[in-house]
Amino acid sequence: DIVMTQSPLSLPVTPGEPASISCRSSQSLLHSNGYTYLDWYLQRPGQSPQLLIYLGFSRASGVPDRFSGSGSGTDFTLKISRVEPEDVGNYYCMQTLQFHWTFGQGTRVEIK
Amino acid sequence: EVQLVESGGTLIQPGGSLRLSCSASGFTVDSDYMSWARLAPGKGLEWLSVMYRDGSTYYTDSVRGRFTISRDNPRNTVYLQMNSLRAEDTAVYYCARGRQGYYAMGVWGQGTTVTVSS
Repeated sequence: DIVMTQSPLSLPVTPGEPASISCRSSQSLLHSNGYTYLDWYLQRPGQSPQLLIYLGFSRASGVPDRFSGSGSGTDFTLKISRVEPEDVGNYYCMQTLQFHWTFGQGTRVEIK
Repeated sequence: EVQLVESGGTLIQPGGSLRLSCSASGFTVDSDYMSWARLAPGKGLEWLSVMYRDGSTYYTDSVRGRFTISRDNPRNTVYLQMNSLRAEDTAVYYCARGRQGYYAMGVWGQGTTVTVSS
């Protein structure tokens, strides 16, 4: 199975400042069709997870444009341009290139 | 409106069996990916299983052979049959709908809690 490794595991942030989370896969997530099968999810405290980014960089419907995804191959980044208080929670990357999908271990974002 | 509602979670003894249900509205469960994931206390999200449009199924290693995903098209419901339950299966279980070729889990249910304890 593909192993997904996130860093950092904990990220204290200041509202209004940028934030960045890294995700690395144990093998390339580039499919032969040219798409990269990497999603990002946010689980806010007490809520169900929600999809933020898919195919590495496409924002899901309703997701604010302060969230962006980038990267290729095995190295990916989720960036928040200006952190808002409602952005606290646990962020996960996930690969769906292989039939056995796998999440990263999660990054806890909290306000300083 | 697309919606998923899980049910069936409860307190159950180790070694027991349980079936979780995921009732869908606003779409049909055979129209795309349907999957299950869980969040155990103090842990991160764990993907468990997926059923594709064509009915093919896949599982993570920790539940393969014990859990079975299935769907009932007339009831528009997806199930997760869980056998030989262990304490480490204690978690909130979520079902989700994806879009094949795009994203894995675009719409999530509210979750149902399974506690495995004697």
